[in-house]
Amino acid sequence: QKEVEQNSGPLSVPEGAIASLNCTYSDRGSQSFFWYRQYSGKSPELIMSIYSNGDKEDGRFTAQLNKASQYVSLLIRDSQPSDSATYLCAVKKNSGYALNFGKGTSLLVTP
Amino acid sequence: DTAVSQTPKYLVTQMGNDKSIKCEQNLGHDTMYWYKQDSKKFLKIMFSYNNKELIINETVPNRFSPKSPDKAHLNLHINSLELGDSAVYFCASSLGTGNTEAFFGQGTRLTVV
Repeated sequence: QKEVEQNSGPLSVPEGAIASLNCTYSDRGSQSFFWYRQYSGKSPELIMSIYSNGDKEDGRFTAQLNKASQYVSLLIRDSQPSDSATYLCAVKKNSGYALNFGKGTSLLVTP
Repeated sequence: DTAVSQTPKYLVTQMGNDKSIKCEQNLGHDTMYWYKQDSKKFLKIMFSYNNKELIINETVPNRFSPKSPDKAHLNLHINSLELGDSAVYFCASSLGTGNTEAFFGQGTRLTVV
């Protein structure tokens, strides 16, 4: 079982819609969860971090964490074509020293 | 000011050569990392240093040797380059080894021919 799993996509949504990106992780002891955005040919850029169960909102982005289900998601409201990128879910195990990344979900927002 | 900077951005070299990638961070972070992103875009941890001390050494060939002269610098030296080493290598840093986010450099695209 992979440590961090994401659907590779591509996920296609129309402009203005809500994009929903999902991630599951295998280590129940994981404590920190992050979403990164990576444009083609660029480096990963941190969008959100979440540490507690529930929702965390930042502008058009909402991260959701459910530790019991070992599930973390990212919602992007009012999606824009500029949101088209690969979204990487990253998880840090309690005993770990580095982030473990999923393979990323490719998001395409169509005008 | 670039927070995490890597040089060079592109590196094309022949099989069997030895090459180095340099990384510097000006964030005052204690922990630095090297990640490898393969052609399928999977980002995998290679090494991590905390205050110049090696704390993670994943299953990486011995041909890869990181060096941290101080906590603001983490360089990666690769001996006897192979075709399979072609990838994008990202340096990153974080405040510490706790629950803190990592910030990435712009990446070095290594192509071995």
